[in-house]
Amino acid sequence: EDQVTQSPEALRLQEGESSSLNCSYTVSGLRGLFWYRQDPGKGPEFLFTLYSAGEEKEKERLKATLTKKESFLHITAPKPEDSATYLCAVKALFPKLIFGQGTTLQVKP
Amino acid sequence: DGGITQSPKYLFRKEGQNVTLSCEQNLNHDAMYWYRQDPGQGLRLIYYSQIVNDFQKGDIAEGYSVSREKKESFPLTVTSAQKNPTAFYLCASTPLGTRDYNEQFFGPGTRLTVL
Repeated sequence: EDQVTQSPEALRLQEGESSSLNCSYTVSGLRGLFWYRQDPGKGPEFLFTLYSAGEEKEKERLKATLTKKESFLHITAPKPEDSATYLCAVKALFPKLIFGQGTTLQVKP
Repeated sequence: DGGITQSPKYLFRKEGQNVTLSCEQNLNHDAMYWYRQDPGQGLRLIYYSQIVNDFQKGDIAEGYSVSREKKESFPLTVTSAQKNPTAFYLCASTPLGTRDYNEQFFGPGTRLTVL
């Protein structure tokens, strides 16, 4: 069964304290892995698409990486405005996306 | 500005009522989707449509209905048969093309509460 698991469920960091979020997946025929950011009460905002193992994407303080079994979202020197829930999703058979339950990040000043 | 709009932002339903959630996009995207989000759970697919006048059930279609009469519109009706409709509903769209890993873009969501 296709499955996505994100860890940890919640993460508290001090401003400037770098860390990583994990997305482990089991899927037949990966056709893409997606990272989204979601603020409370709002729709998810697209961050990255990763397609093949070894691929990396960067945007400001965020860097996403992909292996054959998992993806990491690295957050370097986070700021309070990075506080949000980060969602990971994989695409197997078109057009379905399978979402993890998310990691809620809180960055304290 | 191109984007996806959902209305209303908040919706209250009485027992036994049908309610319709609106989703409109001006991105010229072919495919549209409806997801349900519950606290502590991932997004779950309700229905999706790849072309006008055609749609398919997702994982949790029972108690919901949709239509796709126009490319830019994909309304979702939550019927009285849906026993636990209180949730955050998200509409998404994506272009179809040669890539099979196009990202989905989401609207702002509608929060439905049963009174």
